[in-house]
Amino acid sequence: GENVEQHPSTLSVQEGDSAVIKCTYSDSASNYFPWYKQELGKRPQLIIDIRSNVGEKKDQRIAVTLNKTAKHFSLHITETQPEDSAVYFCAAKGSGGSNYKLTFGKGTLLTVNP
Amino acid sequence: NAGVTQTPKFQVLKTGQSMTLQCAQDMNHNSMYWYRQDPGMGLRLIYYSASEGTTDKGEVPNGYNVSRLNKREFSLRLESAAPSQTSVYFCASTVGGTGGNSPLHFGNGTRLTVT
Repeated sequence: GENVEQHPSTLSVQEGDSAVIKCTYSDSASNYFPWYKQELGKRPQLIIDIRSNVGEKKDQRIAVTLNKTAKHFSLHITETQPEDSAVYFCAAKGSGGSNYKLTFGKGTLLTVNP
Repeated sequence: NAGVTQTPKFQVLKTGQSMTLQCAQDMNHNSMYWYRQDPGMGLRLIYYSASEGTTDKGEVPNGYNVSRLNKREFSLRLESAAPSQTSVYFCASTVGGTGGNSPLHFGNGTRLTVT
């Protein structure tokens, strides 16, 4: 089945700096890559997603890039703010019999220091 | 429009006890999922239901059973709880459908402790 690796597991930045989180996936036929943000004690919530026919997508301070050849995708947060502090999860959706399954990375704890 | 509703929010069980976690969604979604979240392990899929009337095993199904009661409801049952099942359980749903790529909507979670 699909395997998703996420790095780093923890990331600490100063307010205003950029943060980058990287993920790799194993199933070359995977076609959907969402990113979730989970604040302490809360449920995961979608912040951005990208489909395999697109190389990059932006939404204000957040962007995601996808390299299908290398099977990796990344989350970029610019001008970080303390409220960006949370755990971020990447995920990949498999193909064929796994078409309905979303496999998650283990998460990155982002801390933005004021 | 409540989205995905899970009950209970908290539960403490003794080893060997059984319980059912309830999940309901009001978004007319086809696909529903149960994940468990443990520190450092991310979200691991227990079972999923691609559509009403179907259920399939995920990554960590041992010790669990599920029932897709109707399109709205998807329950998770622990027949004989073990300390290894201490976790936070999330139910999620998505529009689904063959080839569909739509985001998961999560419930607020159930924090389960097995002593």
